[in-house]
Amino acid sequence: DAGVIQSPRHEVTEMGQEVTLRCKPISGHDYLFWYRQTMMRGLELLIYFNNNVPIDDSGMPEDRFSAKMPNASFSTLKIQPSEPRDSAVYFCASSTTTGALAKNIQYFGAGTRLSVL
Amino acid sequence: LAKTTQPISMDSYEGQEVNITCSHNNIATNDYITWYQQFPSQGPRFIIQGYKTKVTNEVASLFIPADRKSSTLSLPRVSLSDTAVYYCLVGDYTGFQKLVFGTGTRLLVSP
Repeated sequence: DAGVIQSPRHEVTEMGQEVTLRCKPISGHDYLFWYRQTMMRGLELLIYFNNNVPIDDSGMPEDRFSAKMPNASFSTLKIQPSEPRDSAVYFCASSTTTGALAKNIQYFGAGTRLSVL
Repeated sequence: LAKTTQPISMDSYEGQEVNITCSHNNIATNDYITWYQQFPSQGPRFIIQGYKTKVTNEVASLFIPADRKSSTLSLPRVSLSDTAVYYCLVGDYTGFQKLVFGTGTRLLVSP
């Protein structure tokens, strides 16, 4: 498997614009996570899905952020409108709790570096 | 989730053994100890997990004393490419649980 695939790798946009980040989880994984990483706040969990259903979005900073998972192989994180403080690296991760020798291991994508000017 | 405490940073030289200790005084009976590694510009990567005593894989060893209130990640003969942030996480991983990443330990390996 190619691992978790995120696109784009880099995104530069202007304040007020809509930004859409994309993620393809590992095939067969039933959990998908969106994280944000900044120097100030470290790695924060924004939202996670189980079997395509959002379970916990308590980490989503505000209504400008939304996430969807229309099917098992695709998820999006949208920011509308974007603001400079949204600049960060956004990671997608996936995992499964079945058949794993190690427990609850998450596999991360390479991330999307977002810069909002 | 049990709170963890680990050094903010460590320095080492190529070829040395590096030991990073994580304290988790409130660890519960069902909790596992898991370490992730994050290279610059990459997402965290699972490296090792254990419950008690010693676990070894191709990347590292994990030492857990009998009281399980701490654990030590051991990296044998580090190279420059081991420069990364190492996160210690503790939680009941028998089923699903959210991961909570702390600040981690920033390891810098110099020539």
